[in-house]
Amino acid sequence: AQSVAQPEDQVNVAEGNPLTVKCTYSVSGNPYLFWYVQYPNRGLQFLLKYITGDNLVKGSYGFEAEFNKSQTSFHLKKPSALVSDSALYFCAVRYTGGFKTIFGAGTRLFVKA
Amino acid sequence: NAGVTQTPKFQVLKTGQSMTLQCAQDMNHNSMYWYRQDPGMGLRLIYYSASEGTTDKGEVPNGYNVSRLNKREFSLRLESAAPSQTSVYFCASSELPSGEGSYNEQFFGPGTRLTVL
Repeated sequence: AQSVAQPEDQVNVAEGNPLTVKCTYSVSGNPYLFWYVQYPNRGLQFLLKYITGDNLVKGSYGFEAEFNKSQTSFHLKKPSALVSDSALYFCAVRYTGGFKTIFGAGTRLFVKA
Repeated sequence: NAGVTQTPKFQVLKTGQSMTLQCAQDMNHNSMYWYRQDPGMGLRLIYYSASEGTTDKGEVPNGYNVSRLNKREFSLRLESAAPSQTSVYFCASSELPSGEGSYNEQFFGPGTRLTVL
């Protein structure tokens, strides 16, 4: 069965420091992996996705994510955090040949000035 | 383009009442989805419509029905609301290319916050 785990409910980081939001997945077949961000009282917005090819994927607002097949991980990273990055982040997976997207429980990121 | 729109934004129901949540998208997407979001549980798929004329159950379909009215519109109906259906409901849409699976991202509406007393 497909599953996505975001092991941290919350991540705290100081502005200007690098940030990492972790995600691991379990899926049969090749995965399509996504990161979404949700600001308060808003719907989810797409950040980036991995389909195939280069393991390092770059997305919106300076975010990037690294696909690691051996560790079944897809961690979200940013070299220098901004206060405005504070939001709820969701990792999601869909497998090749599948249709449904499975979302993780979400990680709340707090960036302190 | 408005993207994905949802009405209403907020709703309070009494147990046993019925209501329909409306969703429309103007991106000419084939696929549409309804999710519910509960604290600590992420998003759970209620129903989806791969293309106009088709609907399928997701992870948590009990207590809900859907209608894919046309390519643009996908509604979610609660026939007899229960307190367990208190949640934030999101509609989403995406392209669905031919071939195996879909790697296209989803576009989400702003959500409907529903409280059932």
